[in-house]
Amino acid sequence: DSGVTQTPKHLITATGQRVTLRCSPRSGDLSVYWYQQSLDQGLQFLIHYYNGEERAKGNILERFSAQQFPDLHSELNLSSLELGDSALYFCASSAGLAGALYEQYFGPGTRLTVT
Amino acid sequence: ILNVEQSPQSLHVQEGDSTNFTCSFPSSNFYALHWYRWETAKSPEALFVMTLNGDEKKKGRISATLNTKEGYSYLYIKGSQPEDSATYLCAFIDSGGYQKVTFGTGTKLQVIP
Repeated sequence: DSGVTQTPKHLITATGQRVTLRCSPRSGDLSVYWYQQSLDQGLQFLIHYYNGEERAKGNILERFSAQQFPDLHSELNLSSLELGDSALYFCASSAGLAGALYEQYFGPGTRLTVT
Repeated sequence: ILNVEQSPQSLHVQEGDSTNFTCSFPSSNFYALHWYRWETAKSPEALFVMTLNGDEKKKGRISATLNTKEGYSYLYIKGSQPEDSATYLCAFIDSGGYQKVTFGTGTKLQVIP
């Protein structure tokens, strides 16, 4: 158990809908990263937040947005869902501002299926 | 788009064999390199964070080296065990201001008892 929690575990929804994925980092970790793993692609970096502020963006679509709240949990919002958005979404947390210099601890992931 | 390559894509080794894989990354704008172990149906688990040229890290039978000037890192497993069977991923973090993360496609290791 990494100490990172993600909810829900599974989500099935229809095209065009909007969903919110939630991540609670390990106690004390200020950095949260979101990643997407789809069938035809490897692990893709979406976005990094540190202590409530966006720090880096990867291959995140404009239909997707994220935020990190004062209690440090983070939410990834996916809207106007398409079939291709079906994937496993991981969040990971790490300590420190320079999160990349510290180990990242991955949550169990949320499996999103868009039908 | 940054190119982070891992080789081989997959390999099978006998229990007790030692093995190694390669992660190649851009030699410019290096900030850090992470190695992860990813078992099927689980989440990636951090193995090492490599930050300095010449870094060598070790955890039990697994070790890693880093050459930032030529843009590669090696992961070594000594005396492979069936429980080492997993996909090993590297992740390159660039220093271009915002620390974007680019993963390699992984090396899938199968250790045959």
